[in-house]
Amino acid sequence: IAGITQAPTSQILAAGRRMTLRCTQDMRHNAMYWYRQDLGLGLRLIHYSNTAGTTGKGEVPDGYSVSRANTDDFPLTLASAVPSQTSVYFCASSRDWRTTDTQYFGPGTRLTVL
Amino acid sequence: GQNIDQPTEMTATEGAIVQINCTYQTSGFNGLFWYQQHAGEAPTFLSYNVLDGLEEKGRFSSFLSRSKGYSYLLLKELQMKDSASYLCAVSAFSGAGSYQLTFGKGTKLSVIP
Repeated sequence: IAGITQAPTSQILAAGRRMTLRCTQDMRHNAMYWYRQDLGLGLRLIHYSNTAGTTGKGEVPDGYSVSRANTDDFPLTLASAVPSQTSVYFCASSRDWRTTDTQYFGPGTRLTVL
Repeated sequence: GQNIDQPTEMTATEGAIVQINCTYQTSGFNGLFWYQQHAGEAPTFLSYNVLDGLEEKGRFSSFLSRSKGYSYLLLKELQMKDSASYLCAVSAFSGAGSYQLTFGKGTKLSVIP
């Protein structure tokens, strides 16, 4: 079944360490997104990519970076993790950024920064 | 910016009908989504409204009034498996030239026997 995969499923990380969350989709979707979900705050957009080779900042981009070298992969990097980055991270994709298309979500990565 | 409001929690009885409301204020509106999210899982798509009116899909229906900035999700014949969070999300044209979703904080629905 086509879809989105994320790795790792969960991770405990020491503050100050570098971490890359992986996201891969096999639906040939053009647009991809990273969200974080925190209790009481809902889903918030971190970064997005409309097509391979382009990226943009969302609502809460500070402390995070992304790259989009190809259509399928959209990794999220925390250069130096801080405890406030403890969250559940969801990757999502949609067919086309130029219209309102349904976003499909990966299973999430639960990250704890100590 | 966007402002989306929905109730934090609701409780309903198995077999009953429940309505979850969502109000929003936004510029560049281009549609409203409802997602279902079970605890510990990813959000899954339920419905999309871009025009005013009611969209029915089995036990679930969604309504939109663009002039009032209002939507609701109606769940009929509630089942225990409907216990989940329901997320209202507004699509709007961003300054970066694409459509982006802004999510409400979600409504946690508990279905009781």
